[in-house]
Amino acid sequence: DGGITQSPKYLFRKEGQNVTLSCEQNLNHDAMYWYRQDPGQGLRLIYYSQIVNDFQKGDIAEGYSVSREKKESFPLTVTSAQKNPTAFYLCASSLDSRPLNYGYTFGSGTRLTVV
Amino acid sequence: GQQLNQSPQSMFIQEGEDVSMNCTSSSIFNTWLWYKQDPGEGPVLLIALYKAGELTSNGRLTAQFGITRKDSFLNISASIPSDVGIYFCAGQLTTSYDKVIFGPGTSLSVIP
Repeated sequence: DGGITQSPKYLFRKEGQNVTLSCEQNLNHDAMYWYRQDPGQGLRLIYYSQIVNDFQKGDIAEGYSVSREKKESFPLTVTSAQKNPTAFYLCASSLDSRPLNYGYTFGSGTRLTVV
Repeated sequence: GQQLNQSPQSMFIQEGEDVSMNCTSSSIFNTWLWYKQDPGEGPVLLIALYKAGELTSNGRLTAQFGITRKDSFLNISASIPSDVGIYFCAGQLTTSYDKVIFGPGTSLSVIP
């Protein structure tokens, strides 16, 4: 079955360390997205990529970095420059760059906790 | 900046009751989506709306695209325990085809 796989499900990080969250999809979707979710808030866009080797900043890109070397993969690195990294991170994909025409498919998320 | 408001923020209802929630904005939207998120999981698409006034159903769920294009409504009939979760609306602004905004969500709890 096709879908999006995020790993790990839970991640603990010490302050000052970088950490990379994995996102892999086998849906043959062109576009991929990273969102951050905090309690009581809507999903906020961190980065998105419409094609391989290209990506754009979202609304809250500071302290994060991404790469898109393969169509299937869109890893997110949370750097030590991110002031408040503890959150639930969601990866999503869509068939093309018009996500509301076809809808997003979301992964099951990674909960990052800074200790 | 543009934002979506959802109400109520949370609801506690008895099993079998009907549920209504809405999503509003000061901006005009082209498209509305409603998602449900189970605890610890990613959101799953429930209903998509593409035209003002459109009314669409998916089983016990019915959603409407407001005629002003600034709001949308979701109704759940005869609630059951598995309806528990957070319901998000998402909208696409008329000014940017690839700009999607999510509301803060409505948390639904169903008491058996």
